[in-house]
Amino acid sequence: SAVISQKPSRDICQRGTSLTIQCQVDSQVTMMFWYRQQPGQSLTLIATANQGSEATYESGFVIDKFPISRPNLTFSTLTVSNMSPEDSSIYLCSVGTDGTNEKLFFGSGTQLSVL
Amino acid sequence: GEDVEQSLFLSVREGDSSVINCTYTDSSSTYLYWYKQEPGAGLQLLTYIFSNMDMKQDQRLTVLLNKKDKHLSLRIADTQTGDSAIYFCAESIGKLIFGQGTELSVKP
Repeated sequence: SAVISQKPSRDICQRGTSLTIQCQVDSQVTMMFWYRQQPGQSLTLIATANQGSEATYESGFVIDKFPISRPNLTFSTLTVSNMSPEDSSIYLCSVGTDGTNEKLFFGSGTQLSVL
Repeated sequence: GEDVEQSLFLSVREGDSSVINCTYTDSSSTYLYWYKQEPGAGLQLLTYIFSNMDMKQDQRLTVLLNKKDKHLSLRIADTQTGDSAIYFCAESIGKLIFGQGTELSVKP
């Protein structure tokens, strides 16, 4: 397993601003992912955070809106840019500890509200 | 296609068994998962089953997989109030596809 710390745990932001969410893992992991959970809905994969290269985005998500950094094997950030109320969601970091994208562990999430 | 379906709500009495059901569409799934989300918390990996297995038991949890019908279930024996949470089913097809979650309410 892995201990995943996400910061901030929640935030209320104004429309048009940006928020950067941090994810710190207590051990080196190959696979790190960012998910979004919209109110009352399931989780949707935003992107895979690749160490040393650009993130791999899922359909419907773009780098300009959700830039991701992965400077090393224990840390990643997700920025939600130019926010609108539709971006109000829980954003979750997850990691795969066996070198694959199986058996993912999740952080406690960042609850974002955009006014 | 990618689609995982769950019923939205389940209510049981403390001490009873709970059965949460899930159907999925992609027969190439490698693993199938059950995650638990308590209020204000992230997702906790409860258990998982490899796609070539029919059943997996882990203490109070029993996972049944019917690959022919693409049906997965999670049985919680002797359900406690601490089991109240949202339970997500997920299939793995190169990435995790989640169901919409089943909210389990346990009444004393």
